[in-house]
Amino acid sequence: KNQVEQSPQSLIILEGKNCTLQCNYTVSPFSNLRWYKQDTGRGPVSLTIMTFSENTKSNGRYTATLDADTKQSSLHITASQLSDSASYICVVSASTNAGKSTFGDGTTLTVKP
Amino acid sequence: EAQVTQNPRYLITVTGKKLTVTCSQNMNHEYMSWYRQDPGLGLRQIYYSMNVEVTDKGDVPEGYKVSRKEKRNFPLILESPSPNQTSLYFCASSPFIYPGGSYEQYFGPGTRLTVT
Repeated sequence: KNQVEQSPQSLIILEGKNCTLQCNYTVSPFSNLRWYKQDTGRGPVSLTIMTFSENTKSNGRYTATLDADTKQSSLHITASQLSDSASYICVVSASTNAGKSTFGDGTTLTVKP
Repeated sequence: EAQVTQNPRYLITVTGKKLTVTCSQNMNHEYMSWYRQDPGLGLRQIYYSMNVEVTDKGDVPEGYKVSRKEKRNFPLILESPSPNQTSLYFCASSPFIYPGGSYEQYFGPGTRLTVT
């Protein structure tokens, strides 16, 4: 069964610090991997999208990496801000069924002043 | 403004009373999908549609129906709601989806449904 596992489940950091969130997946054959930010009670918002040929993608202070060989991805947040407090969700799709998405349970990030 | 809209945003209903949650997008996207989100379970896909008149089951389709008669609308129908369908529901849309593609998915604001 295709799975996406994220770690840690939750994380607390001080404002201005960096952090890295992890995503491991078993989805195969791989099509793309997406990272979303979700504020409490709101719809997810796309941060980065990576296909097989891409191993890094940046969006402002967010940088995602992908190792398709080990089936691992990370999301690095630089110089965190209070507004970064949210849930970060990793989503993977398989090329055999591009319409289906497998979601990780998310990492809840809390940035404290 | 490009967006995905859902109605209603909040709904409290009783077991067995048929309901429809509407979803509409104004971006001319071919792909639309419904998800539910429950505490500790993350987002799970209910149904998706690759194009008009084409719908497929996601991971948790039981108890739900969908239709895609026109590109912009993708309603979610609960014929006989039960308490285990109490959840936060999200609709999303994307441009044409293809294997290996890089496509962004836009989510609606969510519909919080409570079935008593």
